Amino acid sequence: GAGVSQSPRYKVAKRGQDVALRCDPISGHVSLFWYQQALGQGPEFLTYFQNEAQLDKSGLPSDRFFAERPEGSVSTLKIQRTQQEDSAVYLCASSYTRDFHEEKLFFGSGTQLSVL
Amino acid sequence: QKEVEQNSGPLSVPEGAIASLNCTYSDRGSQSFFWYRQYSGKSPELIMSIYSNGDKEDGRFTAQLNKASQYVSLLIRDSQPSDSATYLCAVKDSNYQLIWGAGTKLIIKP
Repeated sequence: GAGVSQSPRYKVAKRGQDVALRCDPISGHVSLFWYQQALGQGPEFLTYFQNEAQLDKSGLPSDRFFAERPEGSVSTLKIQRTQQEDSAVYLCASSYTRDFHEEKLFFGSGTQLSVL
Repeated sequence: QKEVEQNSGPLSVPEGAIASLNCTYSDRGSQSFFWYRQYSGKSPELIMSIYSNGDKEDGRFTAQLNKASQYVSLLIRDSQPSDSATYLCAVKDSNYQLIWGAGTKLIIKP
């Protein structure tokens, strides 16, 4: 596709349920980022992949959060035993450059997660 | 804690006027600065990037950077109702991590 694709667009989960969020980046993009955006806030960094390697996971809020990108393209963010504070929009972004200085991100539409 | 600060607004500007959006950052080693536009319920979209002190113009948009004052701004000339959105300032810090402001909500009144 032409852009970054995320699914599902909306997800409602009961507290304690596991969820999996998918990101399909722009073809050929090396870098992939996951962000969490709470209402009225800017995106907060979760984790970063360069191809299949997860180079930075310092933003993952707890060990309930796990991300993978096994073949260097599609990525999945998994949240185990969801809590109400996990409710947010989860944004995926990709970039074609390894030049960290001038990196420009292309965002997907996000997955809005609501934990009841 | 490295920070990027923006006035949350809303900033209300009449159609056709200049909208001025401001952002300050705490990490003096930051090298790259970005402005993203985010419509309600949509994802952020890059509109300007700037790396050197001074002004950078792209159509109706001008980004201004002053590293000594740790200040970056976005000017929108001839504001249109379609410019109404939240504008996010993002700064790549000395560790190459992108730090985001909370955004300024801009409202262009016809």
